[in-house]
Amino acid sequence: QKEVEQDPGPLSVPEGAIVSLNCTYSNSAFQYFMWYRQYSRKGPELLMYTYSSGNKEDGRFTAQVDKSSKYISLFIRDSQPSDSATYLCAMWAQKLVFGQGTRLTINP
Amino acid sequence: NAGVTQTPKFQVLKTGQSMTLQCAQDMNHNSMYWYRQDPGMGLRLIYYSASEGTTDKGEVPNGYNVSRLNKREFSLRLESAAPSQTSVYFCASSEGAFKGNEQFFGPGTRLTVL
Repeated sequence: QKEVEQDPGPLSVPEGAIVSLNCTYSNSAFQYFMWYRQYSRKGPELLMYTYSSGNKEDGRFTAQVDKSSKYISLFIRDSQPSDSATYLCAMWAQKLVFGQGTRLTINP
Repeated sequence: NAGVTQTPKFQVLKTGQSMTLQCAQDMNHNSMYWYRQDPGMGLRLIYYSASEGTTDKGEVPNGYNVSRLNKREFSLRLESAAPSQTSVYFCASSEGAFKGNEQFFGPGTRLTVL
């Protein structure tokens, strides 16, 4: 079993929809939780960063961590075609472990 | 600032050939990393350097060697390339290797081994 599980998709939604991306994990030692965004043929870039359980909001993006369920989510409100990318969750406990990434397409 | 730069952008090798992937960062970061990204596998850590003068194995180190040339540069060498090493390789850097510091990634090198 992988330490971090993420549905690879692909996920396709219409512009303006609310998008929910999720990851589950098995290692209870994970403390820092991140979401990276990767555009096609580019390197990943950090989008959201949270420590421990709770919510964090940044504009149209909300990151949610539920340590009791070992589950993290990224919500995108009012999705735009420019949000089309692969989203990778990542978690840190002595090392950074990435999920497989979910490919998201927002259709105009 | 250029951030993290990688050369070359693309490379095609024949089985058994060797090559070195170059990485440099201009953010004065202490830690540097090499990852490979394969479909369905996400990003997997090959080697990392927590600070200048140190290197450590990651999840998939077999078939690779690294050199932390100085604080700015971290190279990855394939001594005898194999088709299984066909992948996209990313270099990254961070202020430190601890406490989940943000990692900044380069644009990647697309390597095909025939």
